[in-house]
Amino acid sequence: GQGVEQPDNLMSVEGTFARVNCTYSTSGFNGLSWYQQREGHAPVFLSYVVLDGLKDSGHFSTFLSRSNGYSYLLLTELQIKDSASYLCAVRDDTNAYKVIFGKGTHLHVLP
Amino acid sequence: GGIITQTPKFLIGQEGQKLTLKCQQNFNHDTMYWYRQDSGKGLRLIYYSITENDLQKGDLSEGYDASREKKSSFSLTVTSAQKNEMAVFLCASSGTGGGDTQYFGPGTRLLVL
Repeated sequence: GQGVEQPDNLMSVEGTFARVNCTYSTSGFNGLSWYQQREGHAPVFLSYVVLDGLKDSGHFSTFLSRSNGYSYLLLTELQIKDSASYLCAVRDDTNAYKVIFGKGTHLHVLP
Repeated sequence: GGIITQTPKFLIGQEGQKLTLKCQQNFNHDTMYWYRQDSGKGLRLIYYSITENDLQKGDLSEGYDASREKKSSFSLTVTSAQKNEMAVFLCASSGTGGGDTQYFGPGTRLLVL
């Protein structure tokens, strides 16, 4: 069946980096988005990728491998305020308006 | 820039009650969405609307109605609230072309006693 999988939790240390993984299985592929959601707040769009490779956007970078159904969000020079949930969302090619969200990975940044 | 507002911020209802949640956006976006977020689960799509007066069912539409009377607003109705139900309802909008970038409202937190 269709699905987007992410680990529930991830821990890292301030000043280092964290890689949030996402694997997906969908009927076709038409792009993948990453969102940040702080506790009690709405998801905020971070990045959208549709082509293979690494997209470097400074503090946040995203990687996509369509053949493996895999993406990651890389956060560098972590700050305590990066502690949040990170949601992966995949759009399949049957309906441009519907995306499938993963449960989100809660990133804990330790001092 | 734009903003999405949702009212009310908190909603406490009684079992069996009909409850309405409202969403407004000033992005001038064509597409609007209603999602339900439960603890430990991904966002699940309830209804979406591609343009004014359009309605499309999502995966979780049973037990809900929606209304898109004008481009800027999208309402969701819980037709019969379930006892002990607790969830966050998120409204979102996106521009022409679909759901690659969605902008979310702050959410309505529902608790049914």
